[in-house]
Amino acid sequence: KAGVTQTPRYLIKTRGQQVTLSCSPISGHRSVSWYQQTPGQGLQFLFEYFSETQRNKGNFPGRFSGRQFSNSRSEMNVSTLELGDSALYLCASSLVLADSYNEQFFGPGTRLTVL
Amino acid sequence: DQQVKQNSPSLSVQEGRISILNCDYTNSMFDYFLWYKKYPAEGPTFLISISSIKDKNEDGRFTVFLNKSAKHLSLHIVPSQPGDSAVYFCAASASLSSGSARQLTFGSGTQLTVLP
Repeated sequence: KAGVTQTPRYLIKTRGQQVTLSCSPISGHRSVSWYQQTPGQGLQFLFEYFSETQRNKGNFPGRFSGRQFSNSRSEMNVSTLELGDSALYLCASSLVLADSYNEQFFGPGTRLTVL
Repeated sequence: DQQVKQNSPSLSVQEGRISILNCDYTNSMFDYFLWYKKYPAEGPTFLISISSIKDKNEDGRFTVFLNKSAKHLSLHIVPSQPGDSAVYFCAASASLSSGSARQLTFGSGTQLTVLP
C-alpha cells in the first residue's frame, strides 16, 4: 500500500505570493490533517478534513486555507506569504471515525522557504 | 500556551544504555498519548501509544510510562541503538464531542543522539 504523498517536496516563494500544497492520503483513508513544523515549535495543527468538510481548525490566520476533494486528496493554500511561513508542512491521513483514535500516517512534508 | 511540553531539546546517550525522553502536559482532558519518531527529510512515524486508563505500555525495546497525577509521560528505550538517533515527538489527544475527530497536540521534540 502506497504511503501518504506530498507535492512538491521543496518550494521557494517570495513574500506576498501565494502557494498551494498537495497531499494524497493512503488509499481508503478519508481524514487528512495538516501540520506546520518550525524549529523549536514542534508540529502545530492547521486543520483536518473529512469527507470534503473541515472538521477541526487550529489557531492560524485566515491566510491558511484548505480543501478536500471527493477522492480524499487535499490541498492547502497560503496567501500573502510572510517570512514566518517558512516551515515544513506535513500532511497526515487516517481512517478516523467519530470519537475514536486512529493512528495518523504522515507524508514526507513540503519544505516551504519564503524569501 | 504550549499544552504539551518537551523541555529537553536534545539528549545524548551511549549505545546499549537506556534513553529516557520526557514530556509534560497541562490539559487534563487529554486521554491518549503517543510518541512519534522523525528522521530528517521524512515525516514522523508512529512509535508507541498509551491510553489514560493505563500507566505503562511496552513494545519491544520501547516502553511508555504515564503519570496522570503529575501530567507526565516518558519514553524509555533500552538498549539504545545508533539507529534510534532521531527527533522524538510526544503527542496528546482529547476525546471530543460526538461527530468530531480527535486531533493531536504535539510537543516541540527532543533530538536523541545515540553514540556508538
